[in-house]
Amino acid sequence: EVQLLESGGGLVQPGGSLRLSCVASGFTLSNYAMNWVRQAPGKGLEWVSCIRSSGVSTVNEDSVRGRFTISRDNSKNTLYLQMNSLRAEDTAVYYCTNLYDPSRGSFHDYWGQGTLVTVSS
Amino acid sequence: DIVMTQTPLSSPVTLGQPASISCRSSQSLVHSNGHTYLSWLQQRPGQPPRLLLYEISNRFSGVPDRFSGSGAGTDFTLKISRVEAEDVGVYYCMQATQFPLTFGGGTKVEIK
Repeated sequence: EVQLLESGGGLVQPGGSLRLSCVASGFTLSNYAMNWVRQAPGKGLEWVSCIRSSGVSTVNEDSVRGRFTISRDNSKNTLYLQMNSLRAEDTAVYYCTNLYDPSRGSFHDYWGQGTLVTVSS
Repeated sequence: DIVMTQTPLSSPVTLGQPASISCRSSQSLVHSNGHTYLSWLQQRPGQPPRLLLYEISNRFSGVPDRFSGSGAGTDFTLKISRVEAEDVGVYYCMQATQFPLTFGGGTKVEIK
């Protein structure tokens, strides 16, 4: 069974840091580019970051550039999102997904259940 | 950034009747390679999103054929031919023609 399991969310003060992890099982993570997509409470979807299958190339949404870093360890079948200098507006459920692979222009549909990040004092 | 605008915000539908959602992009979604990277996603209550259609009209694996997509350039439409109870949720269009990927604001489909 294919599964993506996110962890690492929680309550953090403004300016703080968190590291999200997403462990893949049932498929080989290294075969796919991976993305983080977030959803603020009661709001719509927002793409955050993408990393190609090799991990060499990454792309980030403007509001997180310089603060968030996406990375992966294919040997551990794990995707990461290091989030620094967190702001209240980063409060959201964060999903890892293989939705889009820019190298191939292909679309896929593996999603985790999400992990909630709350930035508040 | 490409802005995606969906209408309507909400669509109350009678079971068995059709539903239609529109999505407009602020610029053409035709990529330099000739592909148009417009997708539709469904999010049921309390669930992560699910990919329904990609490149305007291609149904993803396992998606029922009552879902169809059409359009070109900057104007796109998702149609549900006969709404079923399991179709309740929020629908999003998304462009992947250029980074950053952007989503429409969502359309809530509910049963009358």
